[in-house]
Amino acid sequence: GAGVSQSPRYKVAKRGQDVALRCDPISGHVSLFWYQQALGQGPEFLTYFQNEAQLDKSGLPSDRFFAERPEGSVSTLKIQRTQQEDSAVYLCASSFQAPRIGEKLFFGSGTQLSVL
Amino acid sequence: AQTVTQSQPEMSVQEAETVTLSCTYDTSENNYYLFWYKQPPSRQMILVIRQEAYKQQNATENRFSVNFQKAAKSFSLKISDSQLGDTAMYFCAFMKHGGSQGNLIFGKGTKLSVKP
Repeated sequence: GAGVSQSPRYKVAKRGQDVALRCDPISGHVSLFWYQQALGQGPEFLTYFQNEAQLDKSGLPSDRFFAERPEGSVSTLKIQRTQQEDSAVYLCASSFQAPRIGEKLFFGSGTQLSVL
Repeated sequence: AQTVTQSQPEMSVQEAETVTLSCTYDTSENNYYLFWYKQPPSRQMILVIRQEAYKQQNATENRFSVNFQKAAKSFSLKISDSQLGDTAMYFCAFMKHGGSQGNLIFGKGTKLSVKP
């Protein structure tokens, strides 16, 4: 596609509900990242994939958060038993090659999750 | 741990004028990279400019330039000839050398409004 696509754009969940957020990176991009952006804050790193391998998940805030990229393209971020503090914009980014300095990141427009 | 501080929550500037956004950071690393990202209301993060810490020359990209003061750990962004399309959130970000590209540490952002 022309850019990184994320769906849904908005998601409202009741506390305790499970949610799944989708990211379609640019075709052929090897690297994929997830970020969480709380209201009034900068994005915070969650996890990183190189192809289908999850190489860094140090930013995932709890074991309720799980991400996968089974075929090395589309990625899903799943949040189980959502809580109000999970309310945020979830951004996905991709890059053409494996991580290295100077490799440009392309961001999607994010999914805004509101947990009531 | 590294931190990034943006002390100006909001700024405004008249169209065609020049504005400077401030950023300071704290790190014990000697080699690292600094970035400015723009986030318009669409939420898509867009790379504005990048600086490598080992380079003394300040980076420039058209109307955008930085003032990088390594000893002071300061990294300000100057926007010349401001345009209405520059209205957005601006985030300063840090990445240590050898870090996973995409594992960026962001500041809280500065909301820039360009007035006609």
